[in-house]
Amino acid sequence: EPEVTQTPSHQVTQMGQEVILRCVPISNHLYFYWYRQILGQKVEFLVSFYNNEISEKSEIFDDQFSVERPDGSNFTLKIRSTKLEDSAMYFCASSEAGQGAGYTFGSGTRLTVV
Amino acid sequence: DQQVKQNSPSLSVQEGRISILNCDYTNSMFDYFLWYKKYPAEGPTFLISISSIKDKNEDGRFTVFLNKSAKHLSLHIVPSQPGDSAVYFCAASVGNAGNMLTFGGGTRLMVKP
Repeated sequence: EPEVTQTPSHQVTQMGQEVILRCVPISNHLYFYWYRQILGQKVEFLVSFYNNEISEKSEIFDDQFSVERPDGSNFTLKIRSTKLEDSAMYFCASSEAGQGAGYTFGSGTRLTVV
Repeated sequence: DQQVKQNSPSLSVQEGRISILNCDYTNSMFDYFLWYKKYPAEGPTFLISISSIKDKNEDGRFTVFLNKSAKHLSLHIVPSQPGDSAVYFCAASVGNAGNMLTFGGGTRLMVKP
């Protein structure tokens, strides 16, 4: 069964450093998303991406965050200057035709900012 | 701002019995609802969804009920199996064309053999 692949599975970084989280969505999917889950809290929407541009973003997705689809397969989330409160599980997801039921999530990247 | 709420953080049921997980929402614009299951160290896995034009959707052992007037949905699992033990999230969206999902806080289901 097709799956969304995320790398790395765990990233430790120092506060203030830049990190790039990588995702390979399912190949025929058109919509791409990033969500995050801070330990013990809800899964929160960060951003959706369609047709090479951001289609929607949440308040969390401020100027420190950016997304990119640098080639035909990868979808990346960059955090420019990490803060302690950015520590969370970051989930990439993709869907075809944008339907919620078609969301496939990756296994996540655990980001730890020290 | 808790637009989607799961008031029970945990639920324990005996194998073979029915599990009922509940979810409430406040945003009347939500018109698409989903349930996801999550194991530790994995991403959420889609289980079942329902559009606001329906009040029930069934898929095997899983049934979702939607009560729009009460802004309440529930997931029934029958019969429950030990492999169903996981955290269950309900989620909602406005429309279904690439729109964001708003998740509840999750309910940890434990099915005892």
